[in-house]
Amino acid sequence: GAVVSQHPSRVICKSGTSVKIECRSLDFQATTMFWYRQFPKQSLMLMATSNEGSKATYEQGVEKDKFLINHASLTLSTLTVTSAHPEDSSFYICSSREGFGTDTQYFGPGTRLTVL
Amino acid sequence: QKEVEQNSGPLSVPEGAIASLNCTYSDRGSQSFFWYRQYSGKSPELIMFIYSNGDKEDGRFTAQLNKASQYVSLLIRDSQPSDSATYLCAVNAGGGADGLTFGKGTHLIIQP
Repeated sequence: GAVVSQHPSRVICKSGTSVKIECRSLDFQATTMFWYRQFPKQSLMLMATSNEGSKATYEQGVEKDKFLINHASLTLSTLTVTSAHPEDSSFYICSSREGFGTDTQYFGPGTRLTVL
Repeated sequence: QKEVEQNSGPLSVPEGAIASLNCTYSDRGSQSFFWYRQYSGKSPELIMFIYSNGDKEDGRFTAQLNKASQYVSLLIRDSQPSDSATYLCAVNAGGGADGLTFGKGTHLIIQP
């Protein structure tokens, strides 16, 4: 399956700062990547769909101005949490589809964000 | 609102027995169905996917889909302690453009 990496794996920041998370599709040129968020003891919730060369599509209730997504190349999507607050502390996970015409998604290792 | 329902467990199964995990979904238009395994603190890893009604087997795992009943299940044969994890059921509408809708997961414990 597709190999997806994320960086950083863990980040601790102060309230009010911005944090950028990188997601790379290592063995496939991904026109579409997905960003999920998982709170403790909860399931994954889709935040947005990242489309190469165009604007991301955000799920209902996700603030696009707070969670900035950039998908400037076929192998890299970034999620920037702007002006982070403690309630943004969560496990952020990206995924990439295995290939065109398939729904199977493979996940990156995730980024654990802690906002103090 | 698309919903995916799973029994949160914990489901405790003796080593060597069959573990049966169940999932129901609300969106009748769902076309693709996935089972992921997630260990504590880690991201999900794909176990199986199934698109058509019936059974699909892969090693010790069997996925079963019944679209009429909006039900999908995962059977794990010869359960091992390393199978202890949270199993997430996920669905999407198909076509590759949509993200996945996840259930809350079932916590499986395999007792040695």
